[in-house]
Amino acid sequence: AQSVTQLGSHVSVSEGALVLLRCNYSSSVPPYLFWYVQYPNQGLQLLLKYTSAATLVKGINGFEAEFKKSETSFHLTKPSAHMSDAAEYFCAVMRVGGYNKLIFGAGTRLAVHP
Amino acid sequence: EPEVTQTPSHQVTQMGQEVILRCVPISNHLYFYWYRQILGQKVEFLVSFYNNEISEKSEIFDDQFSVERPDGSNFTLKIRSTKLEDSAMYFCASGRENTGELFFGEGSRLTVL
Repeated sequence: AQSVTQLGSHVSVSEGALVLLRCNYSSSVPPYLFWYVQYPNQGLQLLLKYTSAATLVKGINGFEAEFKKSETSFHLTKPSAHMSDAAEYFCAVMRVGGYNKLIFGAGTRLAVHP
Repeated sequence: EPEVTQTPSHQVTQMGQEVILRCVPISNHLYFYWYRQILGQKVEFLVSFYNNEISEKSEIFDDQFSVERPDGSNFTLKIRSTKLEDSAMYFCASGRENTGELFFGEGSRLTVL
């Protein structure tokens, strides 16, 4: 069975500070991993994905994530937070060949203050 | 830019009533999904649909739920007899390939009284 655990349901940073959102996964087979973002009153939008190519993945809006197999982690980072980054972020795992069935984590709400 | 559209945005219904949630996926996509998010909880997979049939469903997706793609553009989720615990935001999603890159609609909020 596959699962993801997101550490911290709420993260608050200052504008310009580093953003670090943590995600650990569990999978018996090599997974695909994703970060999705949900802005208020909107659907989920793909930020980035890892599909067994480069371990450091760059996404939209300056976000990136590093796949670390030894740590079973896929943490999301951004060097400098912007007010517009305030949203809920979801880590997700997919079994390769699994008809796109995504298993989501519980989400981390990011607040950015001036 | 193409997008997934869902209707209604919000529906209030009485327990035991039938509800149909509608979705128009992106036109050249082949994989279709319903997810739901109960308030304050994680986004949960309900069902995937490919090649005109259900490819996978979760334990949540019991006999009270059904999906249909009645024509080339719509994808519907029907709940036959709603329960209080069906109250949630329901998200439709579609994908062009089997890569996990899904495009989500803005959701339909269902409130069961």
